[in-house]
Amino acid sequence: EIVLTQSPGTLSLSPGERATLSCRASQSVSSSYLAWYQQKPGQAPRLLIYGASSRATGIPDRFSGSGSGTDFTLTISRLEPEDFAVYYCQQYGSSPLAFTFGGGTKVEIK
Amino acid sequence: EVQLVESGGGLVQPGGSLRLSCAASGFTFSSYWMSWVRQAPGKGLEWVANIKQDGSEKYYVDSVKGRFTISRDNAKNSLYLQMNSLRAEDTAVYYCARDLYYDFWSGYGYWGQGTLVTVSS
Repeated sequence: EIVLTQSPGTLSLSPGERATLSCRASQSVSSSYLAWYQQKPGQAPRLLIYGASSRATGIPDRFSGSGSGTDFTLTISRLEPEDFAVYYCQQYGSSPLAFTFGGGTKVEIK
Repeated sequence: EVQLVESGGGLVQPGGSLRLSCAASGFTFSSYWMSWVRQAPGKGLEWVANIKQDGSEKYYVDSVKGRFTISRDNAKNSLYLQMNSLRAEDTAVYYCARDLYYDFWSGYGYWGQGTLVTVSS
């Protein structure tokens, strides 16, 4: 079973700064099957990125995803006040079938 | 507008049972894989189970195999999760989720608001 490790656990940044979030897989993951979510307190998660780099509908272009194999990155080019939240990566694996989430990265205001 | 509305959560004793429901609207329910995802208080997300469009394939996380059963009724646009032999570690908010697109896995593009299940004596 593939394990996703997200780092750092917490990222303290100021509005306007660039955020770089890492998601590392214990085995190679197909880029087609890597997604990123944003979750704010008391809310359901929101899909940001699928297929490692495709933005979901309505997601601002300051969010971008990249990576392949075992290393994936979510970048927020310039943090807006509403971007302070917890971010999760997720992968779909077919053998065995599982939809594993990483442990999350909290982006907090510095 | 896509809507997913969960219900059925509540307080249950260890060893007890609960059935969650998810009412879907705003899309062709029978065209999509559907999933349940849970989140324990203060913890991260955990995929629980998913089910194919016609119900012919079902998959579960190891920790719930043999205890939970996912099902759907396409005529009623509804998804279900029957939870038996509940344990304290099953305490979580349970979300119903739909794939973004119907023809390939593209992440969970739509989520319900969640329903809280608390397992405690």
